[in-house]
Amino acid sequence: KQEVTQIPAALSVPEGENLVLNCSFTDSAIYNLQWFRQDPGKGLTSLLLIQSSQREQTSGRLNASLDKSSGRSTLYIAASQPGDSATYLCAVDTSGTYKYIFGTGTRLKVLA
Amino acid sequence: SAVISQKPSRDICQRGTSLTIQCQVDSQVTMMFWYRQQPGQSLTLIATANQGSEATYESGFVIDKFPISRPNLTFSTLTVSNMSPEDSSIYLCSVEGRNEKLFFGSGTQLSVL
Repeated sequence: KQEVTQIPAALSVPEGENLVLNCSFTDSAIYNLQWFRQDPGKGLTSLLLIQSSQREQTSGRLNASLDKSSGRSTLYIAASQPGDSATYLCAVDTSGTYKYIFGTGTRLKVLA
Repeated sequence: SAVISQKPSRDICQRGTSLTIQCQVDSQVTMMFWYRQQPGQSLTLIATANQGSEATYESGFVIDKFPISRPNLTFSTLTVSNMSPEDSSIYLCSVEGRNEKLFFGSGTQLSVL
């Protein structure tokens, strides 16, 4: 059974710092991996999607990498801003049916 | 991207009652998904709702407790039946969108007394 874990559970950094959020999964047979941002009362927003054949995806200050063989993905946030404060979730689709298994999340706080 | 309207945004309910959550999408989608997020935990998939067929439930979730309707390609409802305090959670609907991404509604914060 696929399990998704995220480390750290919480992170507090000063504004401007570059940071890395980690996601690990137990079964390397995944179809897609997505990183989401969750803001209170606003649901989830998809940030980046990496297909199983891809190694990384970039969007603005965000870069996500995928290493299926080791069961890991990282989300790199460059030059963090207070507006980046949110909970970040990674999720994996193991069957190509959009049935995602979510990680435990990393609660990020960027201090001004 | 799909725009999803979910309501109610929050509710406080009494034990033993039922609550129906509505999810409206601004475009036609094949699959709609219902997730639950218990306090301090991550999201868990409840069921997949396809138009014209019965919903498919994940392990640990049953139709009698969480009946789902999917009358057309833009709308779905999830009912939480015979509620107990353990049902206090955030319930979210989601749909597949362009480029295989998942889009979510803003969620329904449910508290059961």
